[in-house]
Amino acid sequence: ILNVEQSPQSLHVQEGDSTNFTCSFPSSNFYALHWYRWETAKSPEALFVMTLNGDEKKKGRISATLNTKEGYSYLYIKGSQPEDSATYLCAYCWAGSNYKLTFGKGTLLTVNP
Amino acid sequence: DSGVTQTPKHLITATGQRVTLRCSPRSGDLSVYWYQQSLDQGLQFLIQYYNGEERAKGNILERFSAQQFPDLHSELNLSSLELGDSALYFCASSATWTGGTYEQYFGPGTRLTVT
Repeated sequence: ILNVEQSPQSLHVQEGDSTNFTCSFPSSNFYALHWYRWETAKSPEALFVMTLNGDEKKKGRISATLNTKEGYSYLYIKGSQPEDSATYLCAYCWAGSNYKLTFGKGTLLTVNP
Repeated sequence: DSGVTQTPKHLITATGQRVTLRCSPRSGDLSVYWYQQSLDQGLQFLIQYYNGEERAKGNILERFSAQQFPDLHSELNLSSLELGDSALYFCASSATWTGGTYEQYFGPGTRLTVT
């Protein structure tokens, strides 16, 4: 069974705080790692797709890093805003899986104004 | 708006019944994926179609089936419904069949309630 673990499960921060969460995945047979943002009553929206060890991606105040050798990815949000409140999902794709994505259960971020 | 459409938005039906969920991918996308989101579960991959052909299968029950039509829209058929099938069903699409390295675009989902 392929396990993708995300921590913490939930997080409450104040507006302006910077925060980060972790996605852990098996380090063997790595193919790709996805990050999605899922706002309440909407559908998941792609943030990043990362494929190489050491990859760093950035979109505005959100950035992500990838370590395939140790099997983890970090998502950082700088200067959190209330509109960043959402569940952040990571999904792992391993070689030989026919490119299927295995999702973690997500980190629920609440940013208080 | 991702460009992926799903109908219906909500569906309430009784145990033992059969339903069909419909998905239209983004314009130009050839791959369609179906996912199930149950209470306390992460998004579970069900099945993928690429240009009309099944490409990958996840933990899809035998009571469930899917197909992709020549116009690229896809349907997910759920039969002999059980209470545990109540969930949010998402369709996603991507440009190619290598879903691992290309981001997927999700539709708004169909909320299925089995009573």
